Amino acid sequence: DTAVSQTPKYLVTQMGNDKSIKCEQNLGHDTMYWYKQDSKKFLKIMFSYNNKELIINETVPNRFSPKSPDKAHLNLHINSLELGDSAVYFCASSRGTAGGEADTQYFGPGTRLTVL
Amino acid sequence: KQEVTQIPAALSVPEGENLVLNCSFTDSAIYNLQWFRQDPGKGLTSLLLIQSSQREQTSGRLNASLDKSSGRSTLYIAASQPGDSATYLCAAPPGGGGADGLTFGKGTHLIIQP
Repeated sequence: DTAVSQTPKYLVTQMGNDKSIKCEQNLGHDTMYWYKQDSKKFLKIMFSYNNKELIINETVPNRFSPKSPDKAHLNLHINSLELGDSAVYFCASSRGTAGGEADTQYFGPGTRLTVL
Repeated sequence: KQEVTQIPAALSVPEGENLVLNCSFTDSAIYNLQWFRQDPGKGLTSLLLIQSSQREQTSGRLNASLDKSSGRSTLYIAASQPGDSATYLCAAPPGGGGADGLTFGKGTHLIIQP
C-alpha cells in the first residue's frame, strides 16, 4: 500500500484557472506538509498542518490554500493559476514534530503542474 | 531562519569508491536532520534521520553523522554502486523544533560510473 499518495500525477491547465491537488496518507500521521520543487529542483516548504495549527510560509501567495477534510488528507487548492506556479508539488507527512524518529517525513510521488 | 547548504553540487565517481556528501546548516538548535534520495522524476525517499542526541546513524552502506556545534552533517556512502546514482538532499527543521517543515539544501547530484 502506498504510504503517501497524490492525485493527479500530472496536471496541465490554462492561466487563470482554479485547480486542486489531493493528498492522502495511510500512516496515521498527525502532521502533513506541502512542498514546491521549482524548475531548478529546489524544494521549499509551503504549508504544514496538524489538527492544531496551520503554518504558512510567508512567501506563499494567498492564491494557495490547504484544505484538510480529515486527518488523513491535506488537499492543495490553487486559485487564478499563473505561469510561475508551474512546478512539482510534493505532499509529505510525519508522525511528530518535536524530535525523535517520529519526525521522519514521508513524501508522496509528486504532482507536476504545468500552467500554459 | 534555517539555511541549508550542500557541497558538492555534483559528484561523479567510479563504482566501488567510498564517498562523502557534506551538508551545513545555520541554526544549530535542531532536534534532528534528515537525508533523502531523489531519483529523476520521482519523489523523495527518506534515507536516514539522525537525532540531535546521536552522533551517527547507519543504514546498510550509508552512515550519517551530525555535529550540531559546527552546524554540519555528512553522509558517507561505502562501496558505491551505479544504483546509488541520484540526487541526495539534506534537510533540517527549524531550530527548537516545531511544525514549520523542513528546509532543504539544493542537493548533491551523484553519478556512479560503472
